[in-house]
Amino acid sequence: SQELEQSPQSLIVQEGKNLTINCTSSKTLYGLYWYKQKYGEGLIFLMMLQKGGEEKSHEKITAKLDEKKQQSSLHITASQPSHAGIYLCGAAEPRNSGTYKYIFGTGTRLKVLA
Amino acid sequence: NAGVTQTPKFRVLKTGQSMTLLCAQDMNHEYMYWYRQDPGMGLRLIHYSVGEGTTAKGEVPDGYNVSRLKKQNFLLGLESAAPSQTSVYFCASTSGRQPQHFGDGTRLSIL
Repeated sequence: SQELEQSPQSLIVQEGKNLTINCTSSKTLYGLYWYKQKYGEGLIFLMMLQKGGEEKSHEKITAKLDEKKQQSSLHITASQPSHAGIYLCGAAEPRNSGTYKYIFGTGTRLKVLA
Repeated sequence: NAGVTQTPKFRVLKTGQSMTLLCAQDMNHEYMYWYRQDPGMGLRLIHYSVGEGTTAKGEVPDGYNVSRLKKQNFLLGLESAAPSQTSVYFCASTSGRQPQHFGDGTRLSIL
């Protein structure tokens, strides 16, 4: 079955620095989602990528999906303390029944020092 | 919009007790899911439902039961709680191959 591997597992950066989180799939991705989770809260959907080479941005966060659709990166520009949290990538793997199985990476814990 | 609502938010149980976690969504989504999140383990799927009246096992279903009697509600039951079930439980819903919407989670401790 498909697996998602995230790197790094944790990251501590100084406020204002740029950073990148990677998500690598063992199979071709049909859709890749990025979520953010703050401590004690649920997952908040950030962005979805579906096409090879696709890139999306929201405020200072940019997500890309490579042409082969097996790797995605999340880039934060000029990080702020509000960016701190756990970032998870997720994907929908089709089942034979026509439904989808959702899988997730183990997450990257980001801390931003003021 | 409420989205996905989980109740309760916190609960402490003694070993052997039973309880039910409730998940309600107001987005008319067909698919609903229950996950548990443990340190270093990521999100693991317990059970899921592809529509009213249907349920299916995920990757860690033992010790849990679920019911989806109404489209908007998905219940997760623990018949005889064990310390290994101490975790944060998340419910999610979606309409298909779309991003899942998550509730805020239920923190459950089993003593």
